[in-house]
Amino acid sequence: NAGVTQTPKFRVLKTGQSMTLLCAQDMNHEYMYWYRQDPGMGLRLIHYSVGEGTTAKGEVPDGYNVSRLKKQNFLLGLESAAPSQTSVYFCASHRAVNTGELFFGEGSRLTVL
Amino acid sequence: DAKTTQPTSMDCAEGRAANLPCNHSTISGNEYVYWYRQIHSQGPQYIIHGLKNNETNEMASLIITEDRKSSTLILPHATLRDTAVYYCIVRVAGTQGGSEKLVFGKGTKLTVNP
Repeated sequence: NAGVTQTPKFRVLKTGQSMTLLCAQDMNHEYMYWYRQDPGMGLRLIHYSVGEGTTAKGEVPDGYNVSRLKKQNFLLGLESAAPSQTSVYFCASHRAVNTGELFFGEGSRLTVL
Repeated sequence: DAKTTQPTSMDCAEGRAANLPCNHSTISGNEYVYWYRQIHSQGPQYIIHGLKNNETNEMASLIITEDRKSSTLILPHATLRDTAVYYCIVRVAGTQGGSEKLVFGKGTKLTVNP
């Protein structure tokens, strides 16, 4: 039982390049989330999903796209990376009956030059 | 979900109890108090939660005031590994629904000193 796994853990991009972050959970959770965290800041919600095939916008969705084709995977895409997207990205999940306990991945550190 | 207020930073000596306060004066009757922590560069980790009774687990104790407007997370014997940012969150639980409105603010930066 690996919990929530994020790949890659580190990536450096040039402005304008595209990439996809993968979040995989093996707990059969319905809900999945992508957050970003900038230095000295709390977590900000980018997009989330309430189940397979569904996605919704969070607080800071611009510049990102997401997909949830399989229940266990939640992908975060950057179509044209910008320096403002340099951040640490965290994925989280929880089950349908919401006990309030979120399970987080270890984070993906993205640098856009 | 109700808003919370926490001190920006705190210090604690290794081996002593760390008491982290949280104010949540607008908490509703069906909202729980949750505590998470984030050790440097890692994902946040759930610690404990409670509704109105005091709670204890292997990591910490949670003391909630009778009026539920504030709470204290207690790490009974702080170690250097407890140095982290601690987040206090209030939210409804035990229902269907997501956590998209969950707010992880800036939390309290706890530094445990040798």
